[in-house]
Amino acid sequence: QQPVQSPQAVILREGEDAVINCSSSKALYSVHWYRQKHGEAPVFLMILLKGGEQKGHEKISASFNEKKQQSSLYLTASQLSYSGTYFCGTEASGNTGKLIFGQGTTLQVKP
Amino acid sequence: DAGVTQSPTHLIKTRGQQVTLRCSPKSGHDTVSWYQQALGQGPQFIFQYYEEEERQRGNFPDRFSGHQFPNYSSELNVNALLLGDSALYLCASSPSGGRTDTQYFGPGTRLTVL
Repeated sequence: QQPVQSPQAVILREGEDAVINCSSSKALYSVHWYRQKHGEAPVFLMILLKGGEQKGHEKISASFNEKKQQSSLYLTASQLSYSGTYFCGTEASGNTGKLIFGQGTTLQVKP
Repeated sequence: DAGVTQSPTHLIKTRGQQVTLRCSPKSGHDTVSWYQQALGQGPQFIFQYYEEEERQRGNFPDRFSGHQFPNYSSELNVNALLLGDSALYLCASSPSGGRTDTQYFGPGTRLTVL
């Protein structure tokens, strides 16, 4: 089942912070975050695994609440380059690599 | 180090035709996954190949089939094209033998079905 992302869209000024949420109705093994700019491929940001392991960008932080099947992506001191659509991809069964993506959150950072 | 590459970049077909899309994974990667991304939507998982076999499959009809070659490159075939097959087709590779790991996406093939 497709995870639900919120908000659907957000507009920020440079330097402001944002939080993007991803919620699933199924128990999750991992959550993957990607950013996609218009006309480009999704770019990997972070993986969060059940048990607490994380891999990803130094300047991006995220959390994974296994009990609530929720993940949040924290974008602090936003820059113009942060603009794009953010997707969470969830993996329900362990170690399959089969990702189910949310509908996306569009972030626009203005000067 | 070349990333994931896909060909062609764009493709226009008519209903009922067949299409083959190609993907070369990132160097050192052995697992390839294919996704379909409709305009304004998130990518939808089609299937995953590892060791030249289909390991995982999403909710796509049998018209969608694939292949992985010994050099880990992969093809996606779609038969009897429908208008609804128009989308961006993304290939993603990972080094993990089908297990959980970072998936790196290619630039995609934009398929238009008329």
